[in-house]
Amino acid sequence: DIQMTQSPSTLSASVGDRVTITCRASQSISSSLAWYQQKPGKAPKLLVYKASTLESGVPSRFSGSGSGTEFTLTISSLQPDDFATYYCQQYNSFTWTFGQGTKVEIK
Amino acid sequence: QVQLVQSGAEVKQPGSSVKVSCKTSGGTFSSYTISWVRQAPGQGLEWMGGIIPMVDTANPAQKFRARVTLTADKSTNTAYLELRSLRSEDAGIYYCTREKISAAAVLDLWGQGTLIIVSP
Repeated sequence: DIQMTQSPSTLSASVGDRVTITCRASQSISSSLAWYQQKPGKAPKLLVYKASTLESGVPSRFSGSGSGTEFTLTISSLQPDDFATYYCQQYNSFTWTFGQGTKVEIK
Repeated sequence: QVQLVQSGAEVKQPGSSVKVSCKTSGGTFSSYTISWVRQAPGQGLEWMGGIIPMVDTANPAQKFRARVTLTADKSTNTAYLELRSLRSEDAGIYYCTREKISAAAVLDLWGQGTLIIVSP
């Protein structure tokens, strides 16, 4: 299976900060990557797919980039509602796999 | 508004089976692929497989192929996940999800989750 590695595992930031989360694939996945946000006790929510396509209704402060094996999710100006855990997901292979998650905490 | 509504929490003994349901309300059921994702306590997400109700074709992930059955009932707009031979590491939250019709494998709608507890 393709392994997805996110960094950092935990990120402490303040409201208004620019935040970047990285996701690396163990082999090339082209642009077959999605990002999800999960808050405690809730189901994940789709943010970005095809590496850089913003899901309808998702604020424009979120953006995704990358291709091949390295991808990033950027929040341009962190808002109180953005403190959550973020997961990447590859869907290039027969078995889809997720990163281990990045928790964005209040500094 | 389309929703995925899952069955309630279950407590199961090791070695037993569990069947989780996922009902689509407010929208077309059989046009989409329904996938299942689980999350162990405090852990990340794991894809278990999916089913296309329209053609009744199921695709369990290799890891779960021997223990999982995915089915769908088009008459009630409900998908099911059955997991057999439960072990302690199967405990967690099980989510049904819908794949985006314009982008296969992208999960744009999630159920509320079903908590499975495995305890003697």
